Amino acid sequence: RKEVEQDPGPFNVPEGATVAFNCTYSNSASQSFFWYRQDCRKEPKLLMSVYSSGNEDGRFTAQLNRASQYISLLIRDSKLSDSATYLCVVPGYSGGGADGLTFGKGTHLIIQP
Amino acid sequence: DTAVSQTPKYLVTQMGNDKSIKCEQNLGHDTMYWYKQDSKKFLKIMFSYNNKELIINETVPNRFSPKSPDKAHLNLHINSLELGDSAVYFCASSQVGVGSYNEQFFGPGTRLTVL
Repeated sequence: RKEVEQDPGPFNVPEGATVAFNCTYSNSASQSFFWYRQDCRKEPKLLMSVYSSGNEDGRFTAQLNRASQYISLLIRDSKLSDSATYLCVVPGYSGGGADGLTFGKGTHLIIQP
Repeated sequence: DTAVSQTPKYLVTQMGNDKSIKCEQNLGHDTMYWYKQDSKKFLKIMFSYNNKELIINETVPNRFSPKSPDKAHLNLHINSLELGDSAVYFCASSQVGVGSYNEQFFGPGTRLTVL
């Protein structure tokens, strides 16, 4: 299994709909996880952190399933501005905080009017 | 104020040349990173520097050398550029805590094209 795997999409979703996508990871020792958002030709920016079973921030909910080693991201009431690539991220494997991030290849989301 | 800045934003050069990309962060972070995003949009860690010390080097060719004059700067020098080096290079920084992991802030990227 690859370190971090995501469905690349694209996911074409009508405005106002709810959309969810998953990410699987291979390192069972990982303790923290992240969703980053990357707009076209821009840098990645942190969307949400997931340290325990889940996290909710407005329309966005991230959940963690340690037994199955996957993280999900749910977007409710999707907006046109949610169109972006969503990157599932796991910190480096040595356990030290100075490690870089391991990124999934991203899921491309397109919200249609 | 720009938190993490990179120069240049675009770099077009010929094969075999040597080039450098500069990165500066004004967040007071103690760790900086270089990532490469290839044409397939896959973002991969290249280096990280913590207090002027190289922490990891992910099987990057030795033509690539990070240089950190101080903890606010991490420059990337590339020798003998090859076509496959064409990509977007992102610098990032974070403040590392003991036993914790903090958000990384990314620069705007440098789009390198090797002809």
